Amino acid sequence: AQSVTQLDSHVSVSEGTPVLLRCNYSSSYSPSLFWYVQHPNKGLQLLLKYTSAATLVKGINGFEAEFKKSETSFHLTKPSAHMSDAAEYFCVVTGWGRGSSNTGKLIFGQGTTLQVKP
Amino acid sequence: NAGVTQTPKFQVLKTGQSMTLQCAQDMNHNSMYWYRQDPGMGLRLIYYSASEGTTDKGEVPNGYNVSRLNKREFSLRLESAAPSQTSVYFCASRRGEDEAFFGQGTRLTVV
Repeated sequence: AQSVTQLDSHVSVSEGTPVLLRCNYSSSYSPSLFWYVQHPNKGLQLLLKYTSAATLVKGINGFEAEFKKSETSFHLTKPSAHMSDAAEYFCVVTGWGRGSSNTGKLIFGQGTTLQVKP
Repeated sequence: NAGVTQTPKFQVLKTGQSMTLQCAQDMNHNSMYWYRQDPGMGLRLIYYSASEGTTDKGEVPNGYNVSRLNKREFSLRLESAAPSQTSVYFCASRRGEDEAFFGQGTRLTVV
C-alpha cells in the first residue's frame, strides 16, 4: 500500500533564501509522485510530477524535486524563495500494480505550510 | 476550458439534512475522485472511481455515497449530515498516470 509523509508541518524562510520541503513515500509498486500547491482559499495547482522518467524533475515557478528511490524521498526545493511562494504544499503518491488495493488512488501527505518572511 | 466544475461552492446544512455535491469534468478522463480537506490532515480520499459505473472506497467513506452514472459526472451524497462532515470537499479527475485536475472546492458547514 502507498503512503506519504511530509516531515515538516510548517517551514519558515526569509525571502531570497532556499526552500526545502521534505517528503518520504512508501510504495510497493512503481510510484508516480506529485507536488501540489494551494494558496489560501484556492484550489490545488500542480507544481511538478515524477512518472519514472528523469529523477530530477523541474516544475513551475522555479521549483524542482529529486526522486531518490534508495531513500524513498521526493523533496521539493527552490533556490530562492519569493513572497508569492507562501502557501500550503502537498506531496502526493500513487502507483499502479496488479493486485494493489490502492491502484490508481492518489494519496496525500498532511501538507507543509510555507511561510516567507520579508 | 472548464476543467473540473463543482457545485455548489458553499452550503450550510442542518444536522440530519441530506444533499448531493455535483462534479463534472470535460477532459474525457476515466478516473474521478472525491476528497475532503480538514486543517492539518491534508486531503483524505472519500471515494474513487476508476471508470464509468465503478466506485471504490477511500480512507474516509463512512456517511457518504457516490454515483458515477457516466464518464463526465461523479456525485457525492450525504444522506444525513453530521457536524463532523463540516469540511471543504474537492473533486478531481485524472487520465492514467497523469496528474489530477481539481475543482475549486465546496465549503460545507453542518450546524
